[in-house]
Amino acid sequence: GAVVSQHPSWVICKSGTSVKIECRSLDFQATTMFWYRQFPKQSLMLMATSNEGSKATYEQGVEKDKFLINHASLTLSTLTVTSAHPEDSSFYICSARGSPGGYTFGSGTRLTVV
Amino acid sequence: GENVEQHPSTLSVQEGDSAVIKCTYSDSASNYFPWYKQELGKRPQLIIDIRSNVGEKKDQRIAVTLNKTAKHFSLHITETQPEDSAVYFCAVPPRGFGNEKLTFGTGTRLTIIP
Repeated sequence: GAVVSQHPSWVICKSGTSVKIECRSLDFQATTMFWYRQFPKQSLMLMATSNEGSKATYEQGVEKDKFLINHASLTLSTLTVTSAHPEDSSFYICSARGSPGGYTFGSGTRLTVV
Repeated sequence: GENVEQHPSTLSVQEGDSAVIKCTYSDSASNYFPWYKQELGKRPQLIIDIRSNVGEKKDQRIAVTLNKTAKHFSLHITETQPEDSAVYFCAVPPRGFGNEKLTFGTGTRLTIIP
């Protein structure tokens, strides 16, 4: 079946530093990648939608200069959290469209900013 | 955008009994309705979905029913088992099954009491 590999699975970083999260579609071409953020005991909130080769579309309230999304190829999309702060600590998860099964989720990245 | 409401937020059920979770949505053009199960710290997993051309779909102990007129769909789990304990999310793409972002419900924490 369709697989999206997400790395790292967890990361701890110091406040003010940047963190890059990668999502790779292993056996299909991900034409669209969705990036979600999930705070503890809450639902998945969409941050942005990216299509290969074009700029990402951000949801209202999400700072595009803080959450940089790159979707340079049909198999790789990255989310970079710049100048991270403790309030950015969350579970980040990608979801790819393009697989026969519809929406394929990565395994998620737990970010802790200290 | 799509407005998705999910109830109840928590549900405790005796093992062997049935559990029902309901979602309502706002966009009458929506025609694809998935349900996801998420265990703590893991990715959401698609457990069942339904398209608008049918009213009910069943897969062993899991079923989904759809009422397009009333714009709601429900997840039914019968003969519940301890491994059914998790958080369940409904989701709706705003204009049907295409390259559209999923809007998730607020989630239901299901606890199966042995």
